[in-house]
Amino acid sequence: GESVGLHLPTLSVQEGDNSIINCAYSNSASDYFIWYKQESGKGPQFIIDIRSNMDKRQGQRVTVLLNKTVKHLSLQIAATQPGDSAVYFCAENFNDYKLSFGAGTTVTVRA
Amino acid sequence: DAGVIQSPRHEVTEMGQEVTLRCKPISGHNSLFWYRQTMMRGLELLIYFNNNVPIDDSGMPEDRFSAKMPNASFSTLKIQPSEPRDSAVYFCASRSRQTTEAFFGQGTRLTVV
Repeated sequence: GESVGLHLPTLSVQEGDNSIINCAYSNSASDYFIWYKQESGKGPQFIIDIRSNMDKRQGQRVTVLLNKTVKHLSLQIAATQPGDSAVYFCAENFNDYKLSFGAGTTVTVRA
Repeated sequence: DAGVIQSPRHEVTEMGQEVTLRCKPISGHNSLFWYRQTMMRGLELLIYFNNNVPIDDSGMPEDRFSAKMPNASFSTLKIQPSEPRDSAVYFCASRSRQTTEAFFGQGTRLTVV
């Protein structure tokens, strides 16, 4: 499954499939970008980050891609599991500490 | 470590009353943030402390909001007087100098009636 920008706030994906969550950012001066996961009733939880001088970074089952030309960020989740159901936020960090969060994409995993 | 601890988890108060939200950051973290989350505005940074000193409070909505960090292990966010539009989930987060990862607390859900 794939979401497009911040205007499609929900993503439904079959368990075991790969998920792609997209995000457009606005600040060219951002020094790094972060993906957060927020489960119901909990605070956001750090997933992975990427420096602005990189274009790809991999973690455990997750990959973040950064395209600075079009100011686009994506999070790929491999083999999506029921525990991946949550709201996912991209955030851009600038001025060393300021985190500006996107609107979020709700991911629902179908069994 | 128990993570960032916020209290109370839920608060219901009447309009005009004073509300105080509390936060205990992770030991050793030198940066502390207060965020507010609503459906309409998403996650907004209210104030940022570095080494207990307020660095950026440009996100604090009005003079009714104030925040303090008297020491490295405690911070408060106060709203006086509270209004229904202050209803939101308020998060505290902390971070160490050596990492980009900010750790969030469970949040305080504030309802002003």
